[in-house]
Amino acid sequence: GQNIDQPTEMTATEGAIVQINCTYQTSGFNGLFWYQQHAGEAPTFLSYNVLDGLEEKGRFSSFLSRSKGYSYLLLKELQMKDSASYLCAVMDSNYQLIWGAGTKLIIKP
Amino acid sequence: IAGITQAPTSQILAAGRRMTLRCTQDMRHNAMYWYRQDLGLGLRLIHYSNTAGTTGKGEVPDGYSVSRANTDDFPLTLASAVPSQTSVYFCASSAGQENIQYFGAGTRLSVL
Repeated sequence: GQNIDQPTEMTATEGAIVQINCTYQTSGFNGLFWYQQHAGEAPTFLSYNVLDGLEEKGRFSSFLSRSKGYSYLLLKELQMKDSASYLCAVMDSNYQLIWGAGTKLIIKP
Repeated sequence: IAGITQAPTSQILAAGRRMTLRCTQDMRHNAMYWYRQDLGLGLRLIHYSNTAGTTGKGEVPDGYSVSRANTDDFPLTLASAVPSQTSVYFCASSAGQENIQYFGAGTRLSVL
């Protein structure tokens, strides 16, 4: 079966750095996506990785290792507004997104 | 409007009733999707459409139907609602090589 694993919840301090991990087992791979979802709102796109390595976009970076079935999202200089759920999703061989259950990130002052 | 609009925002529905959730996009995206999101679970694909006139079944299609008469609209119908269909429903659309999906604000549906 297809599976995306990520931690259920993480806590970090304002101004710090946090890394959210995602491991996956899917039938085929056509890219990995990270989305942010604030409580009661829609998911919004953060990043896309299809090749191994690090993609940096401002305070957010995303890393991919296809051989290990592993990705992480790195958030730097955490702000209170970063409190949200972070969703990892993999596009499988049918070009459908398989979603993880999300990681709820709690930022403390 | 710009993006994806879903209606209604929320709805309480008696079991056995028929309900259509509406989704409209103005980005001229070819592909559209319906997901449900339940606590502790990832988004699950109900139905999708790669282009106007075509639809396909996702992971959890039972009890739901869709149509795609044109590029902009992708309604989701519950023919006879059951309490297990209580969920938050998101419509999304995508285009381009990366196939990034963009989401509507969601419909919160309670079936009693």
